[in-house]
Amino acid sequence: EAQVTQNPRYLITVTGKKLTVTCSQNMNHEYMSWYRQDPGLGLRQIYYSMNVEVTDKGDVPEGYKVSRKEKRNFPLILESPSPNQTSLYFCASSLQGASNQPQHFGDGTRLSIL
Amino acid sequence: KNQVEQSPQSLIILEGKNCTLQCNYTVSPFSNLRWYKQDTGRGPVSLTIMTFSENTKSNGRYTATLDADTKQSSLHITASQLSDSASYICVVSFYGNNRLAFGKGNQVVVIP
Repeated sequence: EAQVTQNPRYLITVTGKKLTVTCSQNMNHEYMSWYRQDPGLGLRQIYYSMNVEVTDKGDVPEGYKVSRKEKRNFPLILESPSPNQTSLYFCASSLQGASNQPQHFGDGTRLSIL
Repeated sequence: KNQVEQSPQSLIILEGKNCTLQCNYTVSPFSNLRWYKQDTGRGPVSLTIMTFSENTKSNGRYTATLDADTKQSSLHITASQLSDSASYICVVSFYGNNRLAFGKGNQVVVIP
């Protein structure tokens, strides 16, 4: 089954404790992206990757890092999480770029930073 | 200012009735417009995608329209079902790059 898989689905942690949210897709997609979704603000892009070793900032990259060492994986790293990063996070992928094809989204990771 | 505005923010409709959601955008240059459905606790799922030259596109009981001149789109839900309860998100892509502009969503609740 074609899918985007995020782990963990839920995480409660404390300020300053480094964490990684994994994202994996099995569709051989070149484009992958991370979003956060907050009430009243909608989806906002954090980082995206056009292909292996190619990443770029989205609209809200501060406090986040990403890497794309393999085509299927695109982890999101919070080096020193803060409470304002409490949010619902989505990973998405599409075949080539974000402009011309619909994106396939994971089911989200709900992150709470205390 | 958000480049994609959706209305109404939320609505409640009776099962079996029709409803129309609106999306106005200012994105330029425009490439295409998509509607996504997001069920509670799930990621968004693509419903339709329309380019500049397409006026209407259907996906089952969902019909999207696009007026690129007035920069308006609508999503019409016919004979609503309880499973249509969700947030509907309008997403507009910029021509020539990979930028996307997201609306904040229309929250639809279908009641029996």
